[in-house]
Amino acid sequence: DQQVKQNSPSLSVQEGRISILNCDYTNSMFDYFLWYKKYPAEGPTFLISISSIKDKNEDGRFTVFLNKSAKHLSLHIVPSQPGDSAVYFCAAATAGNNRKLIWGLGTSLAVNP
Amino acid sequence: NAGVTQTPKFRILKIGQSMTLQCTQDMNHNYMYWYRQDPGMGLKLIYYSVGAGITDKGEVPNGYNVSRSTTEDFPLRLELAAPSQTSVYFCATKGPGPQETQYFGPGTRLLVL
Repeated sequence: DQQVKQNSPSLSVQEGRISILNCDYTNSMFDYFLWYKKYPAEGPTFLISISSIKDKNEDGRFTVFLNKSAKHLSLHIVPSQPGDSAVYFCAAATAGNNRKLIWGLGTSLAVNP
Repeated sequence: NAGVTQTPKFRILKIGQSMTLQCTQDMNHNYMYWYRQDPGMGLKLIYYSVGAGITDKGEVPNGYNVSRSTTEDFPLRLELAAPSQTSVYFCATKGPGPQETQYFGPGTRLLVL
């Protein structure tokens, strides 16, 4: 059972426009959410995170929104750049000691010049 | 700082062979993790360690073993390679504090034939 779902396997946007990547989760005990970016043949790199006590976190062009009642979070990239083309993973941290990350399947973003 | 390094980058194994995937970090992080990523899938946790001498199973530990004799090193052992272990393996670390950010190595691509 997939506890963290990224229902769009791919997304294509024009350079300069907004990219919106979505993530849904089923476990209400998750209390921390992260977005990672992955280029081919490289390991994932941390992008941005949000605690469950917040509904928004912003870092430059990247903003993550959390809607706890809907168990939904989204990553907004504005403006999108060709270098943003990568696979984006949503991950959620289990509560308690020795917390572990549960990962979505990823969304492949292509930003076209 | 090199961060998290993994060797080898790529390896082909025959069924039944064994090998050790190496992971070394210079970040002085206590937490270390091994993940596998199958094509089109998210990351699955194999084993993790909360410090030297302490290891525990993740979601998919069967067919693997780990040890953690030092803070820096966290090798992953495959004893009897099977085609189902064909995957990309990532090692990651996490520092102290409430942030759940993990730092990943570049990965080892393993093909079992």
